[in-house]
Amino acid sequence: GAGVSQSPSNKVTEKGKDVELRCDPISGHTALYWYRQSLGQGLEFLIYFQGNSAPDKSGLPSDRFSAERTGGSVSTLTIQRTQQEDSAVYLCASSRLAGGTGELFFGEGSRLTVL
Amino acid sequence: TQLLEQSPQFLSIQEGENLTVYCNSSSVFSSLQWYRQEPGEGPVLLVTVVTGGEVKKLKRLTFQFGDARKDSSLHITAAQPGDTGLYLCAGEGNNRLAFGKGNQVVVIP
Repeated sequence: GAGVSQSPSNKVTEKGKDVELRCDPISGHTALYWYRQSLGQGLEFLIYFQGNSAPDKSGLPSDRFSAERTGGSVSTLTIQRTQQEDSAVYLCASSRLAGGTGELFFGEGSRLTVL
Repeated sequence: TQLLEQSPQFLSIQEGENLTVYCNSSSVFSSLQWYRQEPGEGPVLLVTVVTGGEVKKLKRLTFQFGDARKDSSLHITAAQPGDTGLYLCAGEGNNRLAFGKGNQVVVIP
């Protein structure tokens, strides 16, 4: 599979627990994005990684959210002490180009349900 | 914050009919992208428009970028059930794409 891979595809957790969501981008893509999509809403930007530059974390909704990208490839989005309002589909995308007019290739998303 | 407003939010039409959906903003964008998202999948790029006034065609889909590069429209001719999906517009800014809430289109056979 040459596409963006995300895991798990579905995660149900209890309020207060921590969760980790994984994204494996397309090989060679230097840019990686995390978005959140809630029911009836568009895609909400969370964080952006570009090569070895410092990530743009300006979209993270609270300090319970963090993300890493190791070795310029795989990324992990961590949500600590989950709340019910964190329930959403978390989408990862990668791109060959930095920002802008480059096409984003999305994974199928990780659906998070916080009970 | 560059906001993209998409209208209508939901549209249901019969197979064979035409439809137009809109993406509007008060901001100027260097480019706009249109994506289509089907249930359980991630969005897939349909087209990128760059030049003000530009018109691009993709089979039965026609995309137009406004002269002032603040708005865009998507027109579907003779809609088919396979056109059903969430159409998202996205504008470039600050090294990221900002997305609208989407136009949910349902084509009834």
